[in-house]
Amino acid sequence: EAQVTQNPRYLITVTGKKLTVTCSQNMNHEYMSWYRQDPGLGLRQIYYSMNVEVTDKGDVPEGYKVSRKEKRNFPLILESPSPNQTSLYFCASSPPGGWNQPQHFGDGTRLSIL
Amino acid sequence: GENVEQHPSTLSVQEGDSAVIKCTYSDSASNYFPWYKQELGKRPQLIIDIRSNVGEKKDQRIAVTLNKTAKHFSLHITETQPEDSAVYFCAASILRRSNDYKLSFGAGTTVTVRA
Repeated sequence: EAQVTQNPRYLITVTGKKLTVTCSQNMNHEYMSWYRQDPGLGLRQIYYSMNVEVTDKGDVPEGYKVSRKEKRNFPLILESPSPNQTSLYFCASSPPGGWNQPQHFGDGTRLSIL
Repeated sequence: GENVEQHPSTLSVQEGDSAVIKCTYSDSASNYFPWYKQELGKRPQLIIDIRSNVGEKKDQRIAVTLNKTAKHFSLHITETQPEDSAVYFCAASILRRSNDYKLSFGAGTTVTVRA
Protein backbone atom coordinates (compact mmCIF):
# COMPACT_ATOMS: atom_id res chain seq x y z
CA GLU A 1 0.00 0.00 0.00
CA ALA A 2 1.31 3.42 -0.98
CA GLN A 3 1.82 5.46 2.13
CA VAL A 4 3.74 8.03 4.09
CA THR A 5 4.63 6.82 7.59
CA GLN A 6 5.48 9.14 10.46
CA ASN A 7 6.74 8.22 13.91
CA PRO A 8 5.96 8.86 16.64
CA ARG A 9 2.28 9.79 16.34
CA TYR A 10 2.28 11.51 19.71
CA LEU A 11 5.09 12.84 21.88
CA ILE A 12 5.19 14.86 25.07
CA THR A 13 8.64 16.07 25.98
CA VAL A 14 10.45 18.88 27.74
CA THR A 15 12.19 22.00 26.57
CA GLY A 16 15.70 21.42 25.27
CA LYS A 17 15.55 17.66 24.84
CA LYS A 18 16.51 16.82 21.27
CA LEU A 19 13.97 14.84 19.30
CA THR A 20 13.56 13.41 15.84
CA VAL A 21 10.35 12.71 13.98
CA THR A 22 10.84 10.16 11.24
CA CYS A 23 9.10 10.13 7.89
CA SER A 24 9.26 7.42 5.29
CA GLN A 25 7.47 7.00 1.96
CA ASN A 26 7.28 3.93 -0.25
CA MET A 27 6.20 5.61 -3.49
CA ASN A 28 9.66 6.52 -4.76
CA HIS A 29 8.67 10.18 -4.66
CA GLU A 30 11.37 12.76 -5.18
CA TYR A 31 9.68 15.62 -3.36
CA MET A 32 9.15 15.56 0.38
CA SER A 33 8.11 18.23 2.79
CA TRP A 34 7.35 18.97 6.42
CA TYR A 35 4.42 21.12 7.52
CA ARG A 36 3.16 22.28 10.84
CA GLN A 37 -0.52 22.86 11.44
CA ASP A 38 -1.68 25.41 13.97
CA PRO A 39 -5.26 26.63 14.57
CA GLY A 40 -6.17 29.50 12.29
CA LEU A 41 -2.90 29.31 10.38
CA GLY A 42 -3.46 26.34 8.10
CA LEU A 43 -0.49 24.29 6.99
CA ARG A 44 2.86 26.04 6.90
CA GLN A 45 5.88 24.52 5.26
CA ILE A 46 8.93 24.04 7.47
CA TYR A 47 11.46 22.44 5.12
CA TYR A 48 11.31 20.66 1.82
CA SER A 49 13.49 18.42 -0.28
CA MET A 50 13.54 18.06 -4.05
CA ASN A 51 15.74 14.98 -4.01
CA VAL A 52 18.45 13.15 -2.08
CA GLU A 53 20.89 15.59 -0.45
CA VAL A 54 18.81 18.55 -1.67
CA THR A 55 16.93 20.40 1.06
CA ASP A 56 15.78 23.97 1.51
CA LYS A 57 13.94 26.16 3.97
CA GLY A 58 10.22 26.64 3.81
CA ASP A 59 8.24 29.41 5.46
CA VAL A 60 8.93 28.59 9.13
CA PRO A 61 12.32 26.81 9.37
CA GLU A 62 13.61 28.35 12.62
CA GLY A 63 14.38 25.74 15.24
CA TYR A 64 14.23 22.79 12.86
CA LYS A 65 16.66 20.72 10.83
CA VAL A 66 16.15 18.05 8.21
CA SER A 67 18.23 15.59 6.25
CA ARG A 68 17.65 13.58 3.09
CA LYS A 69 20.27 10.86 2.88
CA GLU A 70 17.94 8.38 1.20
CA LYS A 71 15.06 8.98 -1.15
CA ARG A 72 12.46 7.37 1.09
CA ASN A 73 13.35 9.05 4.40
CA PHE A 74 13.07 12.67 5.47
CA PRO A 75 13.46 13.07 9.25
CA LEU A 76 12.62 16.29 11.07
CA ILE A 77 14.99 17.19 13.88
CA LEU A 78 14.34 19.55 16.76
CA GLU A 79 17.76 20.12 18.33
CA SER A 80 16.48 22.13 21.29
CA PRO A 81 12.68 22.07 21.33
CA SER A 82 10.78 24.99 22.81
CA PRO A 83 7.11 25.35 23.79
CA ASN A 84 6.32 27.37 20.65
CA GLN A 85 7.07 24.24 18.64
CA THR A 86 4.10 22.50 20.19
CA SER A 87 2.04 21.68 17.13
CA LEU A 88 0.68 19.05 14.78
CA TYR A 89 3.28 18.06 12.19
CA PHE A 90 2.71 16.47 8.82
CA CYS A 91 5.17 14.95 6.43
CA ALA A 92 4.17 14.84 2.77
CA SER A 93 5.57 13.52 -0.47
CA SER A 94 4.72 14.11 -4.09
CA PRO A 95 5.75 12.67 -7.44
CA PRO A 96 7.91 14.48 -10.03
CA GLY A 97 6.45 17.91 -10.63
CA GLY A 98 6.69 18.62 -6.92
CA TRP A 99 4.34 21.24 -5.64
CA ASN A 100 2.25 21.12 -8.78
CA GLN A 101 1.27 17.56 -7.95
CA PRO A 102 -1.00 16.08 -5.25
CA GLN A 103 0.62 15.86 -1.86
CA HIS A 104 0.44 12.54 0.00
CA PHE A 105 0.35 13.25 3.71
CA GLY A 106 1.34 11.07 6.63
CA ASP A 107 -0.98 10.58 9.60
CA GLY A 108 0.59 13.40 11.57
CA THR A 109 2.67 13.75 14.73
CA ARG A 110 1.32 15.70 17.64
CA LEU A 111 4.19 17.22 19.61
CA SER A 112 3.79 18.82 23.02
CA ILE A 113 6.84 20.63 24.37
CA LEU A 114 6.55 21.46 28.07
CA GLY B 1 -0.53 31.06 4.26
CA GLU B 2 0.18 34.69 3.61
CA ASN B 3 -0.26 34.25 -0.12
CA VAL B 4 -3.65 32.54 0.03
CA GLU B 5 -6.70 33.86 1.84
CA GLN B 6 -9.63 31.57 2.56
CA HIS B 7 -13.21 32.47 3.58
CA PRO B 8 -15.23 31.76 5.56
CA SER B 9 -13.33 30.28 8.48
CA THR B 10 -16.44 28.40 9.62
CA LEU B 11 -19.51 27.34 7.69
CA SER B 12 -22.63 25.63 8.97
CA VAL B 13 -25.13 24.27 6.45
CA GLN B 14 -28.28 22.23 6.58
CA GLU B 15 -27.99 18.75 5.17
CA GLY B 16 -28.89 18.81 1.51
CA ASP B 17 -27.92 22.45 1.01
CA SER B 18 -24.84 23.66 -0.85
CA ALA B 19 -21.59 24.88 0.65
CA VAL B 20 -19.21 27.32 -1.00
CA ILE B 21 -15.69 28.16 0.12
CA LYS B 22 -13.68 30.91 -1.55
CA CYS B 23 -9.96 31.51 -1.80
CA THR B 24 -7.90 34.31 -3.26
CA TYR B 25 -4.23 34.31 -4.17
CA SER B 26 -1.73 36.99 -5.07
CA ASP B 27 0.81 35.37 -7.40
CA SER B 28 -0.12 35.63 -11.08
CA ALA B 29 2.30 32.76 -11.80
CA SER B 30 0.25 30.32 -9.71
CA ASN B 31 -0.87 27.42 -11.87
CA TYR B 32 -2.07 24.63 -9.56
CA PHE B 33 -4.96 24.87 -7.10
CA PRO B 34 -5.76 21.80 -4.97
CA TRP B 35 -8.36 21.37 -2.27
CA TYR B 36 -7.78 19.13 0.74
CA LYS B 37 -10.28 17.74 3.21
CA GLN B 38 -9.21 16.95 6.75
CA GLU B 39 -11.54 14.96 8.95
CA LEU B 40 -11.11 15.21 12.69
CA GLY B 41 -7.87 13.58 13.78
CA LYS B 42 -6.98 12.53 10.25
CA ARG B 43 -4.51 13.56 7.58
CA PRO B 44 -5.41 16.09 4.85
CA GLN B 45 -6.54 14.32 1.72
CA LEU B 46 -6.84 15.70 -1.77
CA ILE B 47 -10.44 15.89 -2.92
CA ILE B 48 -10.12 17.87 -6.15
CA ASP B 49 -7.61 20.05 -7.95
CA ILE B 50 -7.59 22.38 -10.91
CA ARG B 51 -4.89 23.76 -13.12
CA SER B 52 -4.66 27.22 -14.62
CA ASN B 53 -5.64 26.14 -18.12
CA VAL B 54 -9.08 25.02 -16.88
CA GLY B 55 -11.89 27.21 -15.56
CA GLU B 56 -14.03 24.58 -13.89
CA LYS B 57 -13.79 20.97 -12.81
CA LYS B 58 -16.43 18.71 -11.33
CA ASP B 59 -16.36 15.37 -9.54
CA GLN B 60 -19.77 14.16 -8.45
CA ARG B 61 -21.00 16.56 -5.75
CA ILE B 62 -17.80 18.59 -5.69
CA ALA B 63 -16.79 21.29 -8.14
CA VAL B 64 -14.04 23.85 -8.27
CA THR B 65 -14.05 27.06 -10.30
CA LEU B 66 -11.06 29.24 -11.11
CA ASN B 67 -10.98 32.87 -12.18
CA LYS B 68 -7.37 33.65 -13.08
CA THR B 69 -8.09 37.27 -13.91
CA ALA B 70 -9.50 37.94 -10.48
CA LYS B 71 -7.10 35.50 -8.81
CA HIS B 72 -9.73 33.56 -6.96
CA PHE B 73 -11.01 30.02 -6.89
CA SER B 74 -13.90 28.36 -5.11
CA LEU B 75 -15.01 24.96 -3.88
CA HIS B 76 -18.67 24.06 -4.28
CA ILE B 77 -20.23 21.10 -2.47
CA THR B 78 -23.79 20.31 -3.47
CA GLU B 79 -26.34 18.17 -1.60
CA THR B 80 -24.22 18.20 1.52
CA GLN B 81 -24.19 15.14 3.75
CA PRO B 82 -23.02 14.64 7.35
CA GLU B 83 -19.81 13.01 6.12
CA ASP B 84 -18.91 16.29 4.41
CA SER B 85 -18.29 17.78 7.87
CA ALA B 86 -14.55 18.47 8.02
CA VAL B 87 -11.92 21.16 7.66
CA TYR B 88 -11.25 22.13 4.06
CA PHE B 89 -8.01 23.73 2.90
CA CYS B 90 -7.40 25.46 -0.38
CA ALA B 91 -3.88 25.84 -1.71
CA ALA B 92 -2.09 27.51 -4.58
CA SER B 93 1.32 26.91 -6.10
CA ILE B 94 3.40 30.00 -5.50
CA LEU B 95 6.55 30.72 -7.53
CA ARG B 96 9.44 30.68 -5.10
CA ARG B 97 12.21 31.22 -7.66
CA SER B 98 12.87 30.16 -11.23
CA ASN B 99 11.00 26.91 -11.84
CA ASP B 100 10.66 26.24 -8.12
CA TYR B 101 7.20 26.48 -6.66
CA LYS B 102 5.86 25.98 -3.18
CA LEU B 103 2.34 25.10 -2.14
CA SER B 104 0.79 27.80 0.02
CA PHE B 105 -2.28 26.81 2.03
CA GLY B 106 -5.24 28.82 3.19
CA ALA B 107 -6.09 28.89 6.88
CA GLY B 108 -8.90 26.37 6.48
CA THR B 109 -12.71 26.32 6.66
CA THR B 110 -14.50 24.21 9.24
CA VAL B 111 -17.66 22.91 7.61
CA THR B 112 -20.45 21.52 9.76
CA VAL B 113 -23.40 19.83 8.10
CA ARG B 114 -26.48 19.89 10.35
CA ALA B 115 -28.79 16.90 10.11
